[in-house]
Amino acid sequence: KAGVTQTPRYLIKTRGQQVTLSCSPISGHRSVSWYQQTPGQGLQFLFEYFSETQRNKGNFPGRFSGRQFSNSRSEMNVSTLELGDSALYLCASSPGPSSYEQYFGPGTRLTVT
Amino acid sequence: DQQVKQNSPSLSVQEGRISILNCDYTNSMFDYFLWYKKYPAEGPTFLISISSIKDKNEDGRFTVFLNKSAKHLSLHIVPSQPGDSAVYFCAARFPSGSRLTFGEGTQLTVNP
Repeated sequence: KAGVTQTPRYLIKTRGQQVTLSCSPISGHRSVSWYQQTPGQGLQFLFEYFSETQRNKGNFPGRFSGRQFSNSRSEMNVSTLELGDSALYLCASSPGPSSYEQYFGPGTRLTVT
Repeated sequence: DQQVKQNSPSLSVQEGRISILNCDYTNSMFDYFLWYKKYPAEGPTFLISISSIKDKNEDGRFTVFLNKSAKHLSLHIVPSQPGDSAVYFCAARFPSGSRLTFGEGTQLTVNP
């Protein structure tokens, strides 16, 4: 089975721009979660989607949004980028919302200049 | 509010010896605890988990112990191998969904 894929792997953006990151879960997995990893804050939960519905949201400003499509693929969007948004953005998939095991993709490294 | 804490940022052990990584948590509502290993430029890789109703789970060289009264868990790796050198994250889950709360991570270095 193919693992979780994330595109792009690396991205450089300028302050004020917006960015969209994409995640394709493991085949058959219907739950997708997003995490932000920074050196100072560690791995922090952004949001979780299941059946195209957001089930949980972390403590991030409204500039961070996401969605899930009918094929379980997910995108996250960050608008009006700030320098502090520079981070590794990780997507994780699991079979469903009651599953405790999550399988992570390689991440998208976003640099905001 | 850091609900999951890994107080040791780094640990160095000799090949063949035991590695013990520790994790403390504050919220007794967590129902599962997981350990992930992470190499640079890769996503975390799931290692082993334990339900809050158990006190031990073993998988090959990896054993996780849970002490609910102390709100403490530990990961034992025996014997340690140089390929185990990575950052290890402890994570905990609430019953209501897939959301994981992570510790800060511990850099394990296994010296040949």
